Amino acid sequence: DTAVSQTPKYLVTQMGNDKSIKCEQNLGHDTMYWYKQDSKKFLKIMFSYNNKELIINETVPNRFSPKSPDKAHLNLHINSLELGDSAVYFCASSHMGLAGAGELFFGEGSRLTVL
Amino acid sequence: GENVEQHPSTLSVQEGDSAVIKCTYSDSASNYFPWYKQELGKGPQLIIDIRSNVGEKKDQRIAVTLNKTAKHFSLHITETQPEDSAVYFCAASNQAGTALIFGKGTTLSVSS
Repeated sequence: DTAVSQTPKYLVTQMGNDKSIKCEQNLGHDTMYWYKQDSKKFLKIMFSYNNKELIINETVPNRFSPKSPDKAHLNLHINSLELGDSAVYFCASSHMGLAGAGELFFGEGSRLTVL
Repeated sequence: GENVEQHPSTLSVQEGDSAVIKCTYSDSASNYFPWYKQELGKGPQLIIDIRSNVGEKKDQRIAVTLNKTAKHFSLHITETQPEDSAVYFCAASNQAGTALIFGKGTTLSVSS
């Protein structure tokens, strides 16, 4: 059983389109994240939700809108796609304990290509 | 905010040699320092971690050391094998402890 699953795995689309990536975790974690990995492999945090509440929103354009319907799901919607949005997007989850952020469990990634 | 620097960006070793990857962080409030391994086409996976109350931790061929005064930590892999070839990321918790900030990664190649 996949712990953190995200769909689709590949997404090819035209500039200006709107697209969504879905993420689900079955680990019972209370915190979920979206990270962006660019062509140089740099992993940059975009958003973090704890129990459906947004706790981190790094300087991401407001074309990106995360939505967490419940603590097991965190979806990412992107409006008006641009060439620079091409990247691999990773969803992750963790348990936010007293010591703070713990081990992150990552999904397999969604490779977005904007033409 | 937290900034994590990682060196080297690429590392090539012969099978059986040791590999060392070093990271520095900027925020003295960080208290959690994990290392992740990312194989081609997959998401990063935790291989070892250390918290700030510990100076060293070992798990078979992998060890991590932490120097809180100097704000740096290192990953040591001994007796490297071809299957150790991957991209390795260090990370540090942000000041609030709510997320991990990653280094830029090290591509390790182990040749047989």
